Amino acid sequence: DAGITQSPRHKVTETGTPVTLRCHQTENHRYMYWYRQDPGHGLRLIHYSYGVKDTDKGEVSDGYSVSRSKTEDFLLTLESATSSQTSVYFCAISEPVARVSYNEQFFGPGTRLTVL
Amino acid sequence: DQQVKQNSPSLSVQEGRISILNCDYTNSMFDYFLWYKKYPAEGPTFLISISSIKDKNEDGRFTVFLNKSAKHLSLHIVPSQPGDSAVYFCAASKSSGDKLTFGTGTRLAVRP
Repeated sequence: DAGITQSPRHKVTETGTPVTLRCHQTENHRYMYWYRQDPGHGLRLIHYSYGVKDTDKGEVSDGYSVSRSKTEDFLLTLESATSSQTSVYFCAISEPVARVSYNEQFFGPGTRLTVL
Repeated sequence: DQQVKQNSPSLSVQEGRISILNCDYTNSMFDYFLWYKKYPAEGPTFLISISSIKDKNEDGRFTVFLNKSAKHLSLHIVPSQPGDSAVYFCAASKSSGDKLTFGTGTRLAVRP
């Protein structure tokens, strides 16, 4: 298994509070991603990073920000949590390799966030 | 706009029989397609992939078929085993290493 950890694994918070989720990898992969999983929606990309300090928005980025100051860490911040952000959050990593047709993403174990 | 669709939310199959999971896509720019498997309380794990230059890719009990003209792919599991019971997601990207767009998932239950 790829060395990906997410912390915390579970969190309950109140509406309006800031929340930061951490993804840590030991694989030295350049690409990192944050997804949320919701019933009926599958996995949706929130933000992604192609390297240190190189981040971009995914399809559901409103209300979220990210930071990547080191290759191994990718932080997802909810500046002011809302109930609609109750979800399971997954981090993923990948490393592009020349002359390989595709480089699949490896996922972390997930963080279950409940916003009351 | 759901670019990758899995229209069957669930599927139940007898152990030993074939499981067929389907996926449709709308974006003709997609060039790579993947299937992921997810158990409860775990992250998705990569299962099998196919590029648009192929129409079939096989790995043990798992085979993925791609029909580009119909914008349709399917995952065949033969024979199905109870341990295959999980949620299966198909995903697509426009180029190697690009962002993935996922379908909504199909929950497979394999009955002993």
